[in-house]
Amino acid sequence: GQSLEQPSEVTAVEGAIVQINCTYQTSGFYGLSWYQQHDGGAPTFLSYNALDGLEETGRFSSFLSRSDSYGYLLLQELQMKDSASYFCAVRRDQAGTALIFGKGTTLSVSS
Amino acid sequence: NAGVTQTPKFQVLKTGQSMTLQCAQDMNHEYMSWYRQDPGMGLRLIHYSVGAGITDQGEVPNGYNVSRSTTEDFPLRLLSAAPSQTSVYFCAIRGAKNEQFFGPGTRLTVL
Repeated sequence: GQSLEQPSEVTAVEGAIVQINCTYQTSGFYGLSWYQQHDGGAPTFLSYNALDGLEETGRFSSFLSRSDSYGYLLLQELQMKDSASYFCAVRRDQAGTALIFGKGTTLSVSS
Repeated sequence: NAGVTQTPKFQVLKTGQSMTLQCAQDMNHEYMSWYRQDPGMGLRLIHYSVGAGITDQGEVPNGYNVSRSTTEDFPLRLLSAAPSQTSVYFCAIRGAKNEQFFGPGTRLTVL
């Protein structure tokens, strides 16, 4: 079977740092991605890790440990607009066409 | 949405009706996918394609058919709609950096 586990909800205040964890159990693994989705919108790509370590893109960073089947998304200097759902997703195929998604973490940022 | 279009945006069907959800892209990408998203859930992969004439099943393929006769189009067919297929459907293309670009979605209700 294939499964990804992430917390269902996280709350934080503006300016804070929040980490969203993701553990996975999949039959094939070609990388871990993170997507953001605002209410009523389509998911948008945030980051991708194929190898162990940290990837940084502006205020967002993503980490992967393949030996632990674990990754996280780190959001710094939180803003109200960061309130959204965040999904981790595992690449199931080598082409990267098929993703298996976690159920998502709803992040609420308050002032 | 990186050149991914989906039609219609909204659709209401009666149980047993059939219909086709359209997905088109103008970026000549080989890799395309269909996902469904139910409330409070992550996206689940229905079918995907790595090129014209090549399709494969995802996590939840039952009740859906796909074909890929051209690079640009990847339609999803519901053979006999059921209330369990009420969902938001997203089409996606894979970009050059392993990211997926999602279309705006089709919101389908089956009565």
